Amino acid sequence: GAGVSQSPSNKVTEKGKDVELRCDPISGHTALYWYRQSLGQGLEFLIYFQGNSAPDKSGLPSDRFSAERTGGSVSTLTIQRTQQEDSAVYLCASSLWEGTGLYEQYFGPGTRLTVT
Amino acid sequence: DQQVKQNSPSLSVQEGRISILNCDYTNSMFDYFLWYKKYPAEGPTFLISISSIKDKNEDGRFTVFLNKSAKHLSLHIVPSQPGDSAVYFCAASGRHGGATNKLIFGTGTLLAVQP
Repeated sequence: GAGVSQSPSNKVTEKGKDVELRCDPISGHTALYWYRQSLGQGLEFLIYFQGNSAPDKSGLPSDRFSAERTGGSVSTLTIQRTQQEDSAVYLCASSLWEGTGLYEQYFGPGTRLTVT
Repeated sequence: DQQVKQNSPSLSVQEGRISILNCDYTNSMFDYFLWYKKYPAEGPTFLISISSIKDKNEDGRFTVFLNKSAKHLSLHIVPSQPGDSAVYFCAASGRHGGATNKLIFGTGTLLAVQP
């Protein structure tokens, strides 16, 4: 079956521009997560969606970062006024979700963002 | 504050031998642990997980061991194959009051399996 897809795969942008990154989760997965991996670092949690709501935004590094999810499916991560420190691989993951919450997350291939 | 630590940035093993990757955590509220494998330019691929109510989970060549008292888990790969060469990430999550199952990742261990 289809896995998590992300677009674009690569994005180069100039400092100060806005960017939008897209994630299509696995069909039927109600939980969606955004992470990022900076050079030489582990994966860092950004935001979590359950359906269309985001009960945990604690990982968003600044108010320049926002995300939305529509129809319980596609999600968009927006970075406004990009800075060089925003350069990273942005990864989206989705999972099933029930009360126990103990389900593995499946990752997309990521979007490599380079801010020049 | 690094809640999940992988203290070995790299590991080299001969084909056919056992690979042991280690992970330590500090948050006693973590109750679900996972290992992911990552190839360059790809997203992490789920390998195996373990709940805190268990101390061992096995899936083919992969076994994860959990020592809650030591806050330590390990991934054993037997026998190791050249195709196992990748970066391995340990991750943890907790369901404490309203938890979102967000994963806290270690910094990864690069495994190289030599033919």
